[in-house]
Amino acid sequence: EAGVAQSPRYKIIEKRQSVAFWCNPISGHATLYWYQQILGQGPKLLIQFQNNGVVDDSQLPKDRFSAERLKGVDSTLKIQPAKLEDSAVYLCASSPTGEAGQPQHFGDGTRLSIL
Amino acid sequence: GNSVTQMEGPVTLSEEAFLTINCTYTATGYPSLFWYVQYPGEGLQLLLKATKADDKGSNKGFEATYRKETTSFHLEKGSVQVSDSAVYFCALSDGGYSTLTFGKGTMLLVSP
Repeated sequence: EAGVAQSPRYKIIEKRQSVAFWCNPISGHATLYWYQQILGQGPKLLIQFQNNGVVDDSQLPKDRFSAERLKGVDSTLKIQPAKLEDSAVYLCASSPTGEAGQPQHFGDGTRLSIL
Repeated sequence: GNSVTQMEGPVTLSEEAFLTINCTYTATGYPSLFWYVQYPGEGLQLLLKATKADDKGSNKGFEATYRKETTSFHLEKGSVQVSDSAVYFCALSDGGYSTLTFGKGTMLLVSP
């Protein structure tokens, strides 16, 4: 079974520029998550999709971050404009149905550096 | 709200030593508990889980028991290897969906 795919692996941009990340979850997984992991901390949920609908985006900074999951398969996360504090690893995860107690499968992440 | 507290690292051990990484949690409901491991440059991998009180999760020699009375889920291994060097995250999911709340992570360094 192919795992969660993310691209790019690394991205370096200057502040105020825009950037986009892509995620392709495990085939058949209905639930997709985006996390932000700042150095030295645990991942923090940004947004959760169930198929192509948003379940939870309460911690997404909506003035600069946006995400979509068209057709309920792959997803993109965008930051515009980027700030220095957005430097982090952005992790995508998926799970089969999103039921409580179900483990999540993570991609390798995109490491974003803001200059 | 929900929260997870882990012991701070790094934890430095010699090969074959006994490992304990403490984890306690606060949750509004009856959560499921997880340990994830993150190797350098990689994403998180599920190590083990437990979904109800007194359940013991185990995998690759690691164990953790869901203790509701002490709200704890401590990770243990009887004999660590150099290859176990990684960052370990305790996490919980609560409520109707599987949204995870993570601790800050504990780095484990094992020397030969």
